[in-house]
Amino acid sequence: QVQLQESGPGLVKPSGTLSLTCGVSGGSISSRNWWSWVRQPPGKGLEWIGEIYHSGSTKYNPSLKSRVTISVDKSKNQLSLELSSVTAADTAVYYCARGVTMDPGRFDYWGQGTLVTVSS
Amino acid sequence: QSALTQPASVSGSPGQSITISCTGTSSDVGGYKYVSWYQHHPGKAPKLMIYEVSNRPSGVSNRFSGSKSGNTASLIISRLQAEDEADYYCSSYTSISTLVFGGGTKLTVL
Repeated sequence: QVQLQESGPGLVKPSGTLSLTCGVSGGSISSRNWWSWVRQPPGKGLEWIGEIYHSGSTKYNPSLKSRVTISVDKSKNQLSLELSSVTAADTAVYYCARGVTMDPGRFDYWGQGTLVTVSS
Repeated sequence: QSALTQPASVSGSPGQSITISCTGTSSDVGGYKYVSWYQHHPGKAPKLMIYEVSNRPSGVSNRFSGSKSGNTASLIISRLQAEDEADYYCSSYTSISTLVFGGGTKLTVL
């Protein structure tokens, strides 16, 4: 059973950089899957942030592309998210999810999510 | 990319059927078979209910079904149960190789 667990600071200052990691257990980050980050601001809907393949190939939401970096660390079996120049609008629950290869948008495993608040 | 359009809320009584629509464009919903639906209970991880427009993952009740016509996809829940009360989101692959979600629909079981 694959399990995903997000971790990182729960509070980030405005203009700072949000950094999260997603540890993968019960499976390999090098498997034939894309790994995504999705967020949900309080009271709002889900927003896809971007995804990465273990080869390092990435795809990003155009609205966030200039501020987002997603990476993988095969040695630690985890993926990471960095979002720069954050504002209060980036306050959200952040999820990582495993995508099924050749089936965009089909996420079969999700983390429980972690709340990140942007505030001074 | 703009979020797909879903009704903010729908409601139904136990035993009834409801339909949640998800409207996009020919560059997303209308152009690809990659439409998925997720059930989301507050505080929990989203759960995949439908993928590729109308396919159910193993373990998902056959009361959940999906369809698509043109630029609009639909999630149908039949024989409504109290446990179905949740937020539902559609998602679609897009012409620029990204993913877009719908705004979400709150289902209330009366």
